[in-house]
Amino acid sequence: DAGVIQSPRHEVTEMGQEVTLRCKPISGHDYLFWYRQTMMRGLELLIYFNNNVPIDDSGMPEDRFSAKMPNASFSTLKIQPSEPRDSAVYFCASSLVSLGGNTIYFGEGSWLTVV
Amino acid sequence: AQSVTQPDIHITVSEGASLELRCNYSYGATPYLFWYVQSPGQGLQLLLKYFSGDTLVQGIKGFEAEFKRSQSSFNLRKPSVHWSDAAEYFCAVAPSGTYKYIFGTGTRLKVLA
Repeated sequence: DAGVIQSPRHEVTEMGQEVTLRCKPISGHDYLFWYRQTMMRGLELLIYFNNNVPIDDSGMPEDRFSAKMPNASFSTLKIQPSEPRDSAVYFCASSLVSLGGNTIYFGEGSWLTVV
Repeated sequence: AQSVTQPDIHITVSEGASLELRCNYSYGATPYLFWYVQSPGQGLQLLLKYFSGDTLVQGIKGFEAEFKRSQSSFNLRKPSVHWSDAAEYFCAVAPSGTYKYIFGTGTRLKVLA
C-alpha cells in the first residue's frame, strides 16, 4: 500500500508569500492529521479531520493558517502570509479507526523554509 | 495535564551493545502508548504500540517495549544495536480512544562502529 504522500517535500519561500502544502492520506483511512515539527517545540498537532470534517483545530497557531479536506483523498494546509517563524517540517498523517486502537501513520514531511 | 518525558536527549552506544530508551508519561488512566523512529530527512515510522494486554510488546526491527503501570513508564529496548538504528526516537501517548497524541521531545541515538 502507498503511504501518506505529501508535496512539496521541500519549499523555500519569501516572507509574505502564500504557501500551500498538500497531502494524500492512505486510502481508506478516515482520520487525517497535520503536525508541525520544530527544534524548539517538537511535534505539535495542528488540526485533525474525521471523514473530511475538522474535529479539532485548537493547535492551529493563528489565523494565517488554514486547512481543508475537500474529499477523502486530499487535504491542504495553507499559510498566508508566511513568516520566517513558520519555518518547520509539516507532517501529514492518517489513521483508520479499528478495534486494535488508534495508530497514526506519517508522511515524509514537507520541509518549509521562509526567508 | 498529560505529558510525556524522554529524559535522555542524546544516547551513544557501540554497535552490538544493548539499548534502553526511557519514556515516562503522566496520565490518570492507562493511555495508548507508542514508539516512533525518525531517520534524518524522513517521516516518523511506527516501531510498536501498546493498547492493552501483555505489557511486553514486540515491534519491528527487533525492538521491544515494556509497559510498567506502577512506574508510568514505557521504555524501549533492543538487545543488540545495529549501525542503521542511528536515528531519533519518539515516545507518544494518547488517551484511550482519542487521537490527541502527545509526543516526547525525542532521544537521538548515535551508534559507534
